[in-house]
Amino acid sequence: SQKIEQNSEALNIQEGKTATLTCNYTNYSPAYLQWYRQDPGRGPVFLLLIRENEKEKRKERLKVTFDTTLKQSLFHITASQPADSATYLCALEPNTGRRALTFGSGTRLQVQP
Amino acid sequence: DTAVSQTPKYLVTQMGNDKSIKCEQNLGHDTMYWYKQDSKKFLKIMFSYNNKELIINETVPNRFSPKSPDKAHLNLHINSLELGDSAVYFCASSQGRGGMTYEQYFGPGTRLTVT
Repeated sequence: SQKIEQNSEALNIQEGKTATLTCNYTNYSPAYLQWYRQDPGRGPVFLLLIRENEKEKRKERLKVTFDTTLKQSLFHITASQPADSATYLCALEPNTGRRALTFGSGTRLQVQP
Repeated sequence: DTAVSQTPKYLVTQMGNDKSIKCEQNLGHDTMYWYKQDSKKFLKIMFSYNNKELIINETVPNRFSPKSPDKAHLNLHINSLELGDSAVYFCASSQGRGGMTYEQYFGPGTRLTVT
């Protein structure tokens, strides 16, 4: 069956360090992979989209990689700040069949000052 | 100047009741969605409409009925509420239709509690 796995354990890091979050998937042929941020009591907010033929995408302090061989995406936040503390969700859209996003359960990031 | 708005923010009701959640987007998007986020934080798609046409209808009990009066609105009506319906419901919108999914813009969510 199709699965999207994100580390359910919270990631705790010190301010200024680089946070790296992982999204692994099985039995998918994703056309797109997206990353969202969700704060408590709020809706997810879009951060970055990467296509299957792209290896890497950057936006300010954020970087996403997409390895379709490993079936994995890594999400990096450099020079992390306490304000980056939130839950980060990855979402896939397949390139066949039902064209809709399927979300992982998210990883909570806690940046300590 | 909210992009995607939902009402109400909180909804507490008893089993067996019928309730509606309203959603509006002012982004000019063609596609709107309803998602359910359960206690384990999984966000699952329920429905998707493109220009008032239903394009995705997941395995959702037929007690749930979406209605799209125009492309800026997508409401969710739930009949005969059950305890298991308790969750946070998110509305979202995006450009394009299924097959050309762009980033999605989410509303603030409606926390439904069924007692």
